[in-house]
Amino acid sequence: QEQLVESGGGVVQPGRSLRLSCAASGFSSSDHAIHWVRQAPGKGLEWVTMISFDGSIQYYGDSVKGRFSVSRDNSKNTVHLQMNSLRPEDTAVYYCARGKVVSLFDIWGQGTLVTVSS
Amino acid sequence: QSALTQEASVSGAVGQKVTLSCTGNDNNVGSYAVGWYQQFSHGGPKTVMFGNRFSDSRSGTTASLTISGLQPEDEADYYCSTWDDSLSGWVFGGGTKLTVL
Repeated sequence: QEQLVESGGGVVQPGRSLRLSCAASGFSSSDHAIHWVRQAPGKGLEWVTMISFDGSIQYYGDSVKGRFSVSRDNSKNTVHLQMNSLRPEDTAVYYCARGKVVSLFDIWGQGTLVTVSS
Repeated sequence: QSALTQEASVSGAVGQKVTLSCTGNDNNVGSYAVGWYQQFSHGGPKTVMFGNRFSDSRSGTTASLTISGLQPEDEADYYCSTWDDSLSGWVFGGGTKLTVL
């Protein structure tokens, strides 16, 4: 069964850092781009970042550019999201999703909650 | 404000057909495939699988998701998304809350 599982969420103080992980199983993640999408409490979905299948290309949303970075370890079928200088407005459930074709997502993880609060 | 515009809410009776829209511009919906994602309350998003009762279409810069033979289990939030050339990133609509009466 193809699936993605996120981990690493938790409560963190403003200005601190947190690293999320997205582990793929049932397929080789090295064949696919991986995205992070977040959802603040009671709000809609917001795209955060994408890393290409080989890690050579990354894109970031404006709200996280310069603070978040995405990387991958294809030998471990894992993608990481390093979040620095966290702000209260980064509080959200973070989902990883597999990219399909250019513009689509197909498989989604169950999400991990990040709460930024003092 | 979302780059893609969706109805805030749509409702329909069991068995009816409903259409949800997603309006963008030539930098996004007009040029790239649009994905549709279903999210039940207290759950994560799932990609809508077409065929059977769910179908999609596009006309210019508006994409549509049509659900035929509406069922109670279709009640959920629906989001559209695609790549945007001008933003160099992926964009989502604000989501449509579908209520089945």
